[in-house]
Amino acid sequence: NAGVTQTPKFQVLKTGQSMTLQCAQDMNHEYMSWYRQDPGMGLRLIHYSVGAGITDQGEVPNGYNVSRSTTEDFPLRLLSAAPSQTSVYFCASSYSSSGSYGYTFGSGTRLTVV
Amino acid sequence: SQQGEEDPQALSIQEGENATMNCSYKTSINNLQWYRQNSGRGLVHLILIRSNEREKHSGRLRVTLDTSKKSSSLLITASRAADTASYFCAPGADNYNQGGKLIFGQGTELSVKP
Repeated sequence: NAGVTQTPKFQVLKTGQSMTLQCAQDMNHEYMSWYRQDPGMGLRLIHYSVGAGITDQGEVPNGYNVSRSTTEDFPLRLLSAAPSQTSVYFCASSYSSSGSYGYTFGSGTRLTVV
Repeated sequence: SQQGEEDPQALSIQEGENATMNCSYKTSINNLQWYRQNSGRGLVHLILIRSNEREKHSGRLRVTLDTSKKSSSLLITASRAADTASYFCAPGADNYNQGGKLIFGQGTELSVKP
């Protein structure tokens, strides 16, 4: 049982490039979300999904797109990378979208935009 | 959804001592969750306490919840150097329509010295 798998673990992008951060879970979790973590800022919610085909914005959605075509996968797309998007990105999933269950986090993707 | 605010921001203790961290929140909740994050890693779910519970134990962890004061505390007894990490609280939504999303604060950074 792998839990939540994020790839890649590290990435360096040039300003203006696009890329997709991958997130997959094998626990049949209904709810998935993306966070970014910056020093002194805690974790900030980017986008979340309560089930396949349903996504919604979090606190800081600008510059990012998501889709949820399957229960297992929730990729995060950076449309045109900017230095302000340098951060550590975490994907998380939960059994239910009711908020009554704990989250399982991936190990993170460390992104640097130069 | 709402954010929990942890206090203190940083805590330094000796191995064997107890560590207490506090969390405050603003509106009604379904549950409150505590997470640990070791440096450079994803968050790990520690414990969830539901709004109708006042105290919960898990190994060396003791969590209390006072819904009248909108506060929670996490006690780690007989701390070890391996407990060095950041600890986050996250209030769980009282509204199913919140989609279960958790908003995290900046956490308490615990340092346990050998």
